[in-house]
Amino acid sequence: AQSVTQLDSHVSVSEGTPVLLRCNYSSSYSPSLFWYVQHPNKGLQLLLKYTSAATLVKGINGFEAEFKKSETSFHLTKPSAHMSDAAEYFCVVESGANNLFFGTGTRLTVIP
Amino acid sequence: KAGVTQTPRYLIKTRGQQVTLSCSPISGHRSVSWYQQTPGQGLQFLFEYFSETQRNKGNFPGRFSGRQFSNSRSEMNVSTLELGDSALYLCASSLESLAASNTGELFFGEGSRLTVL
Repeated sequence: AQSVTQLDSHVSVSEGTPVLLRCNYSSSYSPSLFWYVQHPNKGLQLLLKYTSAATLVKGINGFEAEFKKSETSFHLTKPSAHMSDAAEYFCVVESGANNLFFGTGTRLTVIP
Repeated sequence: KAGVTQTPRYLIKTRGQQVTLSCSPISGHRSVSWYQQTPGQGLQFLFEYFSETQRNKGNFPGRFSGRQFSNSRSEMNVSTLELGDSALYLCASSLESLAASNTGELFFGEGSRLTVL
């Protein structure tokens, strides 16, 4: 069975400091993993995806994520937070049964 | 090119009524999937349509249904509305079915926010 756990419902960082949003997954086979971002009153936008190629994946807006099979993790990072990064972030795992499982989301607050 | 368009953006209904939401995918995209987003349950997959056929369905009662037209536009319908159906309903389109390899890059609309009173 597939599932995804976002370990923090809310993360608060100061502008210019690093961002770490944690995601652990459970999958019975090698999954595809994604991070999406949702700004208020907007739809979701793909940040990056892992599909069994390089384990370090670079996405848009300076975000990246590292797939660690031994830790079943796919944490999202950014070296320096910007005010425009304030949003909700969703980690997603794709199952082989034509389905996507979304984490419960992490709300990122950036303090000026 | 134009993104995914959902209409209406906001609507208010009362219990027992029914509602139809519309989603126009990105031109050339053949898959449309629907999601319900609520504060308590998060994002949950409703169903996916590809080439006018329902390919997969999430764990929702039969009151939730959908269809897809030959131009790939999709509608979802919720009958006999309940208070708990209040949510943001998101649709997403993609080139191929969710079952295809290297998929998962979905393009989301801004959603239809349904309030049931």
